[in-house]
Amino acid sequence: DAKTTQPNSMESNEEEPVHLPCNHSTISGTDYIHWYRQLPSQGPEYVIHGLTSNVNNRMASLAIAEDRKSSTLILHRATLRDAAVYYCILRSSGGSNYKLTFGKGTLLTVNP
Amino acid sequence: GAVVSQHPSRVICKSGTSVKIECRSLDFQATTMFWYRQFPKQSLMLMATSNEGSKATYEQGVEKDKFLINHASLTLSTLTVTSAHPEDSSFYICSTGQGLGQETQYFGPGTRLLVL
Repeated sequence: DAKTTQPNSMESNEEEPVHLPCNHSTISGTDYIHWYRQLPSQGPEYVIHGLTSNVNNRMASLAIAEDRKSSTLILHRATLRDAAVYYCILRSSGGSNYKLTFGKGTLLTVNP
Repeated sequence: GAVVSQHPSRVICKSGTSVKIECRSLDFQATTMFWYRQFPKQSLMLMATSNEGSKATYEQGVEKDKFLINHASLTLSTLTVTSAHPEDSSFYICSTGQGLGQETQYFGPGTRLLVL
């Protein structure tokens, strides 16, 4: 899977929006952009994924650049429960290899 | 999304003993499950891909004879850490895929292993 680059850490205040960036300049045409998050001492949790168009779900929004070389996960109103490590992962839609390769992710701290 | 459980949630064992960790897909049939390991302050590292009814596929550097994986049914995969040593102490997490192309993975809550 292609590599992604994320900031090591970010900080936000409760009830404010948070924009978590991810760079993936070597993305290929068949790569989906996935976001997972991991709360302390828990397994990762699926957040959202997309291919080309922006995506929205109940947890977050995913904004994908037109050239697909970067994307941004948007939490519209951060809560204390959103404090976690957020992973941006590329996964090819082709073949039968469904495994995910985790990078270091972004540690999000939410201040009350 | 899919619900995945793990048992036990934490285990403490003596060096040299074997420990079995169960991963269950509670609400759908999983032909493929994944096992990850996570050391403190580090990211998840894939250990192996567990395939129902066939042998698991191990990542480079993971000893298949030490980490035995069995996926005998569509809802259960087990990871046995044989002859555990303190360096095997870690957070073990399983996951399973869902979707037409299994685009989304759902993770278990993890098992914390401490080897004394």
